This record gives sequence, C-alpha cells and structure tokens, in this order.
Amino acid sequence: DAKTTQPPSMDCAEGRAANLPCNHSTISGNEYVYWYRQIHSQGPQYIIHGLKNNETNEMASLIITEDRKSSTLILPHATLRDTAVYYCVSGTYKYIFGTGTRLKVLA
Amino acid sequence: DAGVTQSPTHLIKTRGQQVTLRCSPKSGHDTVSWYQQALGQGPQFIFQYYEEEERQRGNFPDRFSGHQFPNYSSELNVNALLLGDSALYLCASSTGFGGSNEKLFFGSGTQLSVL
Repeated sequence: DAKTTQPPSMDCAEGRAANLPCNHSTISGNEYVYWYRQIHSQGPQYIIHGLKNNETNEMASLIITEDRKSSTLILPHATLRDTAVYYCVSGTYKYIFGTGTRLKVLA
Repeated sequence: DAGVTQSPTHLIKTRGQQVTLRCSPKSGHDTVSWYQQALGQGPQFIFQYYEEEERQRGNFPDRFSGHQFPNYSSELNVNALLLGDSALYLCASSTGFGGSNEKLFFGSGTQLSVL
C-alpha cells in the first residue's frame, strides 16, 4: 500500500501562497496522488489529483516531481477559510490517509 | 443534486451492542467506501463495495461487516462494540471505474460513541 508523509502543521499568512509538501516515495507507477482537506471534522473534501503532470484547478495547483516521489499542493492566495487539515492520499481501491498537515491561515 | 448522505449523525451505544450505519451515495455513483476516523487521526479504510460485493478490505476485524443494496446504498455493521470503536465513521462514494483514478466524495459522517 502506498504511504504518504506530511509535516504535522504549517502556518501561512492570509493572502500569501500556502505550499504543502508530501512525500510518497513508495507510490506505484499507476497510482494517482490525491489531495483532500477536512474542516471541523466534516467529511474530507476533494481538492485536486494528478498522476505525472502538474495540475491546476479553481482551488489549487499540484506539482509532482519527475520521479513521483513527492508532490506539493499550492493554495495561491490563502484565506482564513482555508484553515483545515490537508491530506495527501494515494492507493488503489483503498486510499491510505496519513495524519495530514494542519494548516492555519493567520490574519 | 444530493451529495453523500449518512444516517444517523450521532449515535451512543454501550459495549457489546451492535450498530448499523447507513449511507446513500451521490447520484450517479455506484461504489461506496467506508472509513473510520479516530480523534486526531486520518481516516482509516474499512472496506469498499462495488456491484453489491466487497471489493477491498482494510485491516479491520470481522466484527465490521457491510452490505450494498441494488440502489447502491450501503450499510456498515459493527458487532460486539468495544470502547475503541468510538470514532467518526465516514462514507465515500465514487464512480467505480476502479483502480487509482477514483475521486471520492465524502459524507459528513456518523459520530459513534461507545460507553
């Protein structure tokens, strides 16, 4: 099973970019990398996913290294509402969540 | 378009009892996965149902069982409850194309407390 490693916590100033790293050195060649976030013990919310290429959507950007052993989620202009626990996830059929990164956006 | 709905939202049981949690997937989804999330931890995969069969299972004992109905809704059953079963139980649905390209949509969960 793929396993991901993330820093336990990060702070970011409101309006600045938040860069959240993830290590997934054991990921298989055909496994996607997903990012979810969870606010106030609600269900996790999908943010973005990718396989090899960098991806961007209305919420965030995902940068995946060429060797696919790590990735970075970028929230370009963090707001207070982005304060949440962010999970980097991978797997096949069963997705393995780590303990995530608790991002606090500071006013 | 309703998203993933779970019931009940909260539940209190005592040790040794049995519990059934329910999940209705997002419209158009045919696959349901269940996760257990203890306080301060990430969600842990319990099992996934597709075409009314258990397709994958995580490291959970046989006390945890499930079912998927023809309308794709699902139930999670836990027998002989232990104090350690207290957690937020999350249901996630997806389109079931399988493999690794499977975006999950989560419900808000059922908070189970075992006394």
